[in-house]
Amino acid sequence: GAGVSQSPSNKVTEKGKDVELRCDPISGHTALYWYRQRLGQGLEFLIYFQGNSAPDKSGLPSDRFSAERTGESVSTLTIQRTQQEDSAVYLCASSPAGGSHQPQHFGDGTRLSIL
Amino acid sequence: QKEVEQNSGPLSVPEGAIASLNCTYSDRGSQSFFWYRQYSGKSPELIMFIYSNGDKEDGRFTAQLNKASQYVSLLIRDSQPSDSATYLCAVNVMNTGFQKLVFGTGTRLLVSP
Repeated sequence: GAGVSQSPSNKVTEKGKDVELRCDPISGHTALYWYRQRLGQGLEFLIYFQGNSAPDKSGLPSDRFSAERTGESVSTLTIQRTQQEDSAVYLCASSPAGGSHQPQHFGDGTRLSIL
Repeated sequence: QKEVEQNSGPLSVPEGAIASLNCTYSDRGSQSFFWYRQYSGKSPELIMFIYSNGDKEDGRFTAQLNKASQYVSLLIRDSQPSDSATYLCAVNVMNTGFQKLVFGTGTRLLVSP
């Protein structure tokens, strides 16, 4: 497709379970970003990929969160031992490069609900 | 602390009026400024971006940047009910040479018919 694709669109899981969220960036975009948006809140930066490397993972809230990117394309955000405070919309964005003048384009997000 | 501040609103304007959305930021080194529109339950959609002081116009939208005063604004002319959404201001923070966006919490705009 032409845009950023995320899956699943919705995920409901029990506390303590692991979840994997997937992001397919726009083809050719080398920069990829993950954000979290809690209900009624702004976007929180989680991690940035340039190619398959993550120069900045400073926004990951705990060691339960990890992410990887392969083939300079698909990225997976994994949350282990989920907690209720992890409930949020997880948004992925991509841009042609990581430079300051590159607008980021967002996917539709994964709405994660922890019971 | 690098921050981006917006009035949460709601900002209510009648159809056809000009809506003015404002954003201030704390990092004087910021170089790129973005406005995103977010409908309820949807992802942010890029509306405008601006890098230089002054005005930038695109259709009904005008972005205004004043780096000396550290504010950026978005004007929506001839507001339509379909413009009702939350508008997010995002400012880049240069960190290890890449763009790291800091988002405001957004201003909710309501355009009444």
